[in-house]
Amino acid sequence: KAGVTQTPRYLIKTRGQQVTLSCSPISGHRSVSWYQQTPGQGLQFLFEYFSETQRNKGNFPGRFSGRQFSNSRSEMNVSTLELGDSALYLCASTSLGGTDTQYFGPGTRLTVL
Amino acid sequence: DQQVKQNSPSLSVQEGRISILNCDYTNSMFDYFLWYKKYPAEGPTFLISISSIKDKNEDGRFTVFLNKSAKHLSLHIVPSQPGDSAVYFCAASYQTGANNLFFGTGTRLTVIP
Repeated sequence: KAGVTQTPRYLIKTRGQQVTLSCSPISGHRSVSWYQQTPGQGLQFLFEYFSETQRNKGNFPGRFSGRQFSNSRSEMNVSTLELGDSALYLCASTSLGGTDTQYFGPGTRLTVL
Repeated sequence: DQQVKQNSPSLSVQEGRISILNCDYTNSMFDYFLWYKKYPAEGPTFLISISSIKDKNEDGRFTVFLNKSAKHLSLHIVPSQPGDSAVYFCAASYQTGANNLFFGTGTRLTVIP
């Protein structure tokens, strides 16, 4: 079974731009969660989608948004990029939306210049 | 405010000896705790978990201990192997299987052959 895939793996943007990251969960998994990893803060929960609905949301500004499609693939969008948005963005999928282990993708490394 | 803390950013251990990684948390509502291992350029991989109703969970060379009164958990790896060298994250959630995890900042373990 293929693992969680994230595209692109690396991205460089400038301040003020917007970016869209994509996550394809493991086949059959319906829950996708997004995390931001920075050196000082570790992994911080952004949001979770289950069956195309946002089920949980972390403490991030509204510039961070996401969505999930009917095939469970998810995208997250960051608008008006700031230097502090430079981070590794990880997505994780679980099978039954809350009753199984999270499986993480390799992440997208976003650099904001 | 970091609700899950790993105060040791790094740890070096000789091969064959015991590795002890520590984690403290501040939120008494956390009910479920997990350890993840992360290699460079890969997403975190689930290692072991423990529910708040237990004080110990064992899986092969890995044992997690939970001290709820002290809000402290630890991961013991015995015997340590060079392949265990990675960054270890502890995480907590409000309930078993919840997908909005609160992560610590990680401890880099180096096992010296």
